[in-house]
Amino acid sequence: SQKIEQNSEALNIQEGKTATLTCNYTNYSPAYLQWYRQDPGRGPVFLLLIRENEKEKRKERLKVTFDTTLKQSLFHITASQPADSATYLCALVKTGTASKLTFGTGTRLQVTL
Amino acid sequence: EPEVTQTPSHQVTQMGQEVILRCVPISNHLYFYWYRQILGQKVEFLVSFYNNEISEKSEIFDDQFSVERPDGSNFTLKIRSTKLEDSAMYFCASSTSVYEQYFGPGTRLTVT
Repeated sequence: SQKIEQNSEALNIQEGKTATLTCNYTNYSPAYLQWYRQDPGRGPVFLLLIRENEKEKRKERLKVTFDTTLKQSLFHITASQPADSATYLCALVKTGTASKLTFGTGTRLQVTL
Repeated sequence: EPEVTQTPSHQVTQMGQEVILRCVPISNHLYFYWYRQILGQKVEFLVSFYNNEISEKSEIFDDQFSVERPDGSNFTLKIRSTKLEDSAMYFCASSTSVYEQYFGPGTRLTVT
């Protein structure tokens, strides 16, 4: 069966460090992968998109990698701040499905002083 | 900055009743979506809508659900006869293309 797995355990890191979150998928052929941020009781907020033929994408302090051989994406936040504390969701769009986002369960990031 | 709005923020209804959840997508967006999130679980796709028709729907989106764009601004999700398991946060989203989607703040639906 198709699965998108994110580390369900919360990730606790110190301010200033780099946070690395993982998204693994099985039995999927994603056309592209997106990362969203979700705060408690709020809707997801789009952060970054990476296509299947791209290895890496950056935006300010954020970096995403996409390895279709390993079936994995890594999401990095450098110089993390307490304001980065949230749940981060990985979402895939399959080849041939124009718009349906399939989300992982998300990883909660807690950045402490 | 333009944003997706949803009303009401919280809806309480009795089992078997019909509910309509309302959304105003971002004005120049062409693609519209509904997702739901049961408490503590992942965000799940329900339906996408483009060019005044459903473009995709999930297994969750059965005959009890329907969507409509009654005018140029609103996008609604109707649940005909609510069940206890329909209790969830419902998110509307819109996009200009099939890429990044912009989500609203959600409507919390509680079925008693």
